[in-house]
Amino acid sequence: AQSVSQHNHHVILSEAASLELGCNYSYGGTVNLFWYVQYPGQHLQLLLKYFSGDPLVKGIKGFEAEFIKSKFSFNLRKPSVQWSDTAEYFCAVTLNNNDMRFGAGTRLTVKP
Amino acid sequence: DTAVSQTPKYLVTQMGNDKSIKCEQNLGHDTMYWYKQDSKKFLKIMFSYNNKELIINETVPNRFSPKSPDKAHLNLHINSLELGDSAVYFCASSRGEASGNTIYFGEGSWLTVV
Repeated sequence: AQSVSQHNHHVILSEAASLELGCNYSYGGTVNLFWYVQYPGQHLQLLLKYFSGDPLVKGIKGFEAEFIKSKFSFNLRKPSVQWSDTAEYFCAVTLNNNDMRFGAGTRLTVKP
Repeated sequence: DTAVSQTPKYLVTQMGNDKSIKCEQNLGHDTMYWYKQDSKKFLKIMFSYNNKELIINETVPNRFSPKSPDKAHLNLHINSLELGDSAVYFCASSRGEASGNTIYFGEGSWLTVV
């Protein structure tokens, strides 16, 4: 079945550690890719997006993601996490009609 | 000013009741959506409207009825509420329905059915 897969359900890191959250999708054709963040009790905020061009995308708050077409992947990275990065992270793909399909989310806990 | 606003933010109601969640966007967008986030944080699209016309209608019970009086508003009415309807409902909007238009989310409405 077509889907968006996030490999890690819960990631626990110490401050200053490097972060990589995996995301793979199984939709064919041209896709648009997104990472959203949801801080506790808050709404979804866009971190970054990829439509075309440079496959390495830089977003807000020091996050970046790399689109690897051959691997159907769009992993999120940050070289040094902070306690304030504790949140739920969602990878998403938009299909026709801007139908956005989300992964199951990865909960990131950063220990001070 | 909040770009996508929805009310109420919190709603606790009994089974069998009918309730509505209102959504308004002041971004001038043509397309609006309703998403449901369950207790496991899984997000799923329910509906989308473009210029008041229904575009996406996922398999949701017909107790859920969206209504778009104009392109800046998309309200969600739920009849005969069930325990399983407890979730966070997010309204969202985008400039158009074409894939790739960034979707902006509201702050969510936490619905608890008891």
